[in-house]
Amino acid sequence: AQSVTQLGSHVSVSEGALVLLRCNYSSSVPPYLFWYVQYPNQGLQLLLKYTTGATLVKGINGFEAEFKKSETSFHLTKPSAHMSDAAEYFCAVSGIVLGGTSYGKLTFGQGTILTVHP
Amino acid sequence: DAGVTQSPTHLIKTRGQHVTLRCSPISGHKSVSWYQQVLGQGPQFIFQYYEKEERGRGNFPDRFSARQFPNYSSELNVNALLLGDSALYLCASSFGRGGYTFGSGTRLTVV
Repeated sequence: AQSVTQLGSHVSVSEGALVLLRCNYSSSVPPYLFWYVQYPNQGLQLLLKYTTGATLVKGINGFEAEFKKSETSFHLTKPSAHMSDAAEYFCAVSGIVLGGTSYGKLTFGQGTILTVHP
Repeated sequence: DAGVTQSPTHLIKTRGQHVTLRCSPISGHKSVSWYQQVLGQGPQFIFQYYEKEERGRGNFPDRFSARQFPNYSSELNVNALLLGDSALYLCASSFGRGGYTFGSGTRLTVV
């Protein structure tokens, strides 16, 4: 079984400040980890993913995340927040690969709403 | 290339009715998954189809069913709608290890 816990349902930062969104996971198999962003009334957009290899993963829009196996964490960071970063962010985990070419189901956290103040 | 397309975008149904939601994956993507996102929560896995076979099912009642067609498009069917089925239904397609690409969803309101 897999699960994801996002610490903090709401995070508020000032424009230009560091963004830190926390994600802890539980998985009985090596995890594949993802961060998605959702803007109001839209679907989910992939920010970045960790599969294997380098534990520091860089994504779009200046975001990055570090896989820490010992802490079972995959926190999302961005050095300097922009107003356009205001959205809801979801961490997700998948544990299997189907036929070597597709991940299995995603288990999502409850989401963190990021507010950016001018 | 077109992304994942879902139809309709919005839908209002009455309790007890049936609904069919449709999804066209990105060209070449053989895996399609369906998720339900209730307001204020993270998406919940409903079904996954890979190469036209069901490869996973979430904790949803038998009122929910789905299928994948030879062209890899997919339908999600929900029978005997309940008020609690009101949600954003998301379809995602995948190929290789690039991760899932989500559509914009179908907003279902049950009244």
